[in-house]
Amino acid sequence: GAVVSQHPSWVICKSGTSVKIECRSLDFQATTMFWYRQFPKQSLMLMATSNEGSKATYEQGVEKDKFLINHASLTLSTLTVTSAHPEDSSFYICSATLPRADASNQPQHFGDGTRLSIL
Amino acid sequence: SQELEQSPQSLIVQEGKNLTINCTSSKTLYGLYWYKQKYGEGLIFLMMLQKGGEEKSHEKITAKLDEKKQQSSLHITASQPSHAGIYLCGADRAGTASKLTFGTGTRLQVTL
Repeated sequence: GAVVSQHPSWVICKSGTSVKIECRSLDFQATTMFWYRQFPKQSLMLMATSNEGSKATYEQGVEKDKFLINHASLTLSTLTVTSAHPEDSSFYICSATLPRADASNQPQHFGDGTRLSIL
Repeated sequence: SQELEQSPQSLIVQEGKNLTINCTSSKTLYGLYWYKQKYGEGLIFLMMLQKGGEEKSHEKITAKLDEKKQQSSLHITASQPSHAGIYLCGADRAGTASKLTFGTGTRLQVTL
């Protein structure tokens, strides 16, 4: 159980375009999802916390207007990289937790990540 | 400064050998999570430790959390090629796994 699906797994696009990445919890409802960014040979950096039905909470230094997060349902959160540029190229990973009542003693469950390359 | 340090940064071991990866926090933790990541893929949950002195094992992997809850170790016995990957420790500072800070990672290669 607790499977998180991320789509697409790989995307290449031209500079200036917007790219949407989806994160779905397949067999559970996730009131909270997280978006991370990972640079080559580096650890995961938390970008934002996405809460169903409310605005996302962004970490310091992450541009809200650049990285739009929408969590419209209990099983889907989306990250849109707007007007993407080569410096936005990275590996983006989402994770989800069980609803708060069940969250204690539960790990975050991660998607397989999306490799974004901006030309 | 990095709040969560892992050592070593990379490790090459011969198949069948034992190895240990360490994760040290500058602050006391509510919980410590170990994940494994293959290059370009997501994270696979390994183990979660919450109590000081706690030790958990799964197959050939054993994780421990010290009494002060600031240091954890991950030990692999009789390593196999399937153990190769990047091992990441994640720190829970709030007590609900709601926000994890990850360590720098340890890249493990297992040679034949």
